[in-house]
Amino acid sequence: AQSVAQPEDQVNVAEGNPLTVKCTYSVSGNPYLFWYVQYPNRGLQFLLKYITGDNLVKGSYGFEAEFNKSQTSFHLKKPSALVSDSALYFCAVSNTGGFKTIFGAGTRLFVKA
Amino acid sequence: GAGVSQSPSNKVTEKGKDVELRCDPISGHTALYWYRQSLGQGLEFLIYFQGNSAPDKSGLPSDRFSAERTGGSVSTLTIQRTQQEDSAVYLCASSFQGASYGYTFGSGTRLTVV
Repeated sequence: AQSVAQPEDQVNVAEGNPLTVKCTYSVSGNPYLFWYVQYPNRGLQFLLKYITGDNLVKGSYGFEAEFNKSQTSFHLKKPSALVSDSALYFCAVSNTGGFKTIFGAGTRLFVKA
Repeated sequence: GAGVSQSPSNKVTEKGKDVELRCDPISGHTALYWYRQSLGQGLEFLIYFQGNSAPDKSGLPSDRFSAERTGGSVSTLTIQRTQQEDSAVYLCASSFQGASYGYTFGSGTRLTVV
């Protein structure tokens, strides 16, 4: 069975500083990994994905994530945070060829000016 | 349509009544998913449909919940004899063939059971 853990309920960072939102996963076979973002009063939006290839994937709004197979992690990163990045971030995993995607509990990111 | 459309956007119902939530996916998307997001919680998988295959119902929390997808397009999630713990935002998503393509989510239906 697939599972996703986001160990931090909340991450606080100052504007301009780098940010990291952590995610670890468990799945049989090779994983498909995703990050989604939910801004206040708006729907969930796809941010980036890892399917295969380069372990560092780049997505929307300057975000990137690094796939680490040995640590079963897929942490979300951004070199310089913006106040507008404040939102709820979800990590998700599905197994290779699968259609069922399991989401983590979410991490709320607060970026302070 | 341009996006995933869900209706109604808000629904208040009395405990014990049945409700139907509708999802209209993006045209051409063969996969459709239902998730539930309770206040302050993550997304709970409910069910997915892929083409003509049998749906994966493994996430439905009880037999009061059911869903169907007609003609490979519109889907309806039905909750019978609603309970207060059913109060949540019900999200629908669709994708082109499968999870690897990423999902497009609708704005959700906020269900309140009073």
